Amino acid sequence: EVQLVESGGDLVQPGGSLRLSCAVSGFTVSSHYMTWVRQAPGKGLEWVSVIYTGGNTYFANSVKGRFTLSRDDSKNTLYLHMDSLRPDDTAVYYCARRAAAAHTLDRWGQGTLVTVSS
Amino acid sequence: QSAPTQPASVSGSPGQSITISCTGTSSDVGGYNYVSWYQQRPGNVPKLIIYDVRTRPSGVSSRFSGSKSGNTASLTISGLQAEDEADYYCSSYTSTSTLEVFGTGTTVTVL
Repeated sequence: EVQLVESGGDLVQPGGSLRLSCAVSGFTVSSHYMTWVRQAPGKGLEWVSVIYTGGNTYFANSVKGRFTLSRDDSKNTLYLHMDSLRPDDTAVYYCARRAAAAHTLDRWGQGTLVTVSS
Repeated sequence: QSAPTQPASVSGSPGQSITISCTGTSSDVGGYNYVSWYQQRPGNVPKLIIYDVRTRPSGVSSRFSGSKSGNTASLTISGLQAEDEADYYCSSYTSTSTLEVFGTGTTVTVL
């Protein structure tokens, strides 16, 4: 069964750092493009970043230069490293799998909440 | 990169049909047949209901259908049911550096 489980969300002060994890099962994380999407409280979905199967990463302009994305194939886990956090980064962060043969996100994790506040 | 525009809310009575629009640009919705639709019920995770403009994943009700004309994609829900109350988001591949963009979202209310 395909599963994506995020963890690492927490309350952090502005300017702080956090690392989110997305542990996957039922498929190989390196065989799919993997995406992070976030949703601020009461707001819509916002695409954050993607890592391609070859390891290339891309980021939304709002997080570029502050967030990095990595993958540990031995642990079948994806990591989102977030630095210089700002209050407007407060959101539920979802890890999602891009379908193998379509430009769409076919499996989502349950999300992890990041709160940036003093 | 601006998000494709969706109506903030759409409502209908049980059994009726409603249509949600998603208006983008030639750099996203209009330029590619890679439009997806997601349903998010209150407190739940987004669920894929349409991809590649009009394809339904296995298990998704045939009451959901998608289409596209120019820079506007549409999601139609036929035979509206109470369980269809949710937020709906379109998304599209985009040629800009962000690669993918979500629409502004639409809240569907069943009267």
